[in-house]
Amino acid sequence: DIQMTQSPSSLSASVGDRITITCRSSQTISNYLNWYQQKPGKAPKPLIYAASILQSGVPSRFSGSGSGTDFTLIINNLQPEDFGTYYCQQTYSTLMYTFGQGTKLEIK
Amino acid sequence: VQLVQSGAEVKKPGASVKVSCKASGYTFTSYNIYWVRQAPGQRLECMGWINAGNGNTKYSQKFQGRVTFTRDTSATTAYLELSSLRFEDTSVYYCATSYRITTAVPAFDYWGQGTLVTVSS
Repeated sequence: DIQMTQSPSSLSASVGDRITITCRSSQTISNYLNWYQQKPGKAPKPLIYAASILQSGVPSRFSGSGSGTDFTLIINNLQPEDFGTYYCQQTYSTLMYTFGQGTKLEIK
Repeated sequence: VQLVQSGAEVKKPGASVKVSCKASGYTFTSYNIYWVRQAPGQRLECMGWINAGNGNTKYSQKFQGRVTFTRDTSATTAYLELSSLRFEDTSVYYCATSYRITTAVPAFDYWGQGTLVTVSS
């Protein structure tokens, strides 16, 4: 399986900050990379697909970029409701889709 | 679009569990249903999917031989059955679909609420 590694594993930031989460794949995956936000006890919420396309209804302060093996999720003007755990997911491998280990975002 | 899953289950080791996922608000047979699980405090793990139209399935090698995906098109419901349960199968199981995705990149844009399966003696 393709391994997905996120960094950092956790971070704490203040309202209004800009934060960056990175995701690296163990093999090239073109732009077959998605991002999700999950809050405790809830199903994941889709944020971005195909590396950079914002899902419907997601605020424009979220953006994604990257191709190949290195990807980035940026949140500008951090808001209190942005807390949670963020996961990247590759859907390139026909063996199986895999997720990163998650990045837990805490709002100070 | 809604995916509504069956309720929590408690099973003994070695038993089987069947989780349902009732779809509504879209043409059920036009999209895959994906199954994802999450053990406590762990990352999300994709188990595979079923093509709700033709019934073709794809299973993660990790679960091959223990998991079966089925669907009932008349009931617009997909099912996951996991057998020979082990303690480490204790997880929340989610179904998801890829409804509004406009590219060739699969992505899960609608999710069920999750079903907690607890394996305990």
